[in-house]
Amino acid sequence: QKEVEQDPGPLSVPEGAIVSLNCTYSNSAFQYFMWYRQYSRKGPELLMYTYSSGNKEDGRFTAQVDKSSKYISLFIRDSQPSDSATYLCAMRLSSGGGADGLTFGKGTHLIIQP
Amino acid sequence: NAGVTQTPKFQVLKTGQSMTLQCAQDMNHEYMSWYRQDPGMGLRLIHYSVGAGITDQGEVPNGYNVSRSTTEDFPLRLLSAAPSQTSVYFCASSYSLTSVSNYGYTFGSGTRLTVV
Repeated sequence: QKEVEQDPGPLSVPEGAIVSLNCTYSNSAFQYFMWYRQYSRKGPELLMYTYSSGNKEDGRFTAQVDKSSKYISLFIRDSQPSDSATYLCAMRLSSGGGADGLTFGKGTHLIIQP
Repeated sequence: NAGVTQTPKFQVLKTGQSMTLQCAQDMNHEYMSWYRQDPGMGLRLIHYSVGAGITDQGEVPNGYNVSRSTTEDFPLRLLSAAPSQTSVYFCASSYSLTSVSNYGYTFGSGTRLTVV
């Protein structure tokens, strides 16, 4: 079992819909959670980052973390065609222990239909 | 403020050749790391560094070397290129987890490498 599981999609929704993207993880040592957006042939772009369980909102984006269930989500409200991209969840270990780097899900390909 | 700069953007190598992928950041980030991205596999960590002179292996380190002599630069060396190393390579940098509240990594635009 991979440490981080993410449905690769594609996920196709109409413009204006609310999009829900999810990841599950197995390593309880992950303490920091991020969502990246990646357009075709570009580098990943950081969208949201969270530490504690709960919700964090930034404009049309809401990140949700449930550490007890090892489950994270990204919600996109009022989706736009420009939101069409691959969305990657990423996780980082706690600051103790010296290990670092990100562990990624495989990414979900999102298509917003005009 | 250029962020994370990777060179070259594209490269074709012959099997057995060696090369260095360059990565530089101008954000005074302590941490840096290298990833490869392959279809169906997602991004996987190759090597990382938590400061100048300190490096460690990630998930897929075989065939790659790194060093970190300055805070700004973190080159990735392919010792003897193999077709299995055909991939897109990304470099990324971050503040240390104890220094600031922004703990996301900033990524470069990538190097597309083909080994024939």
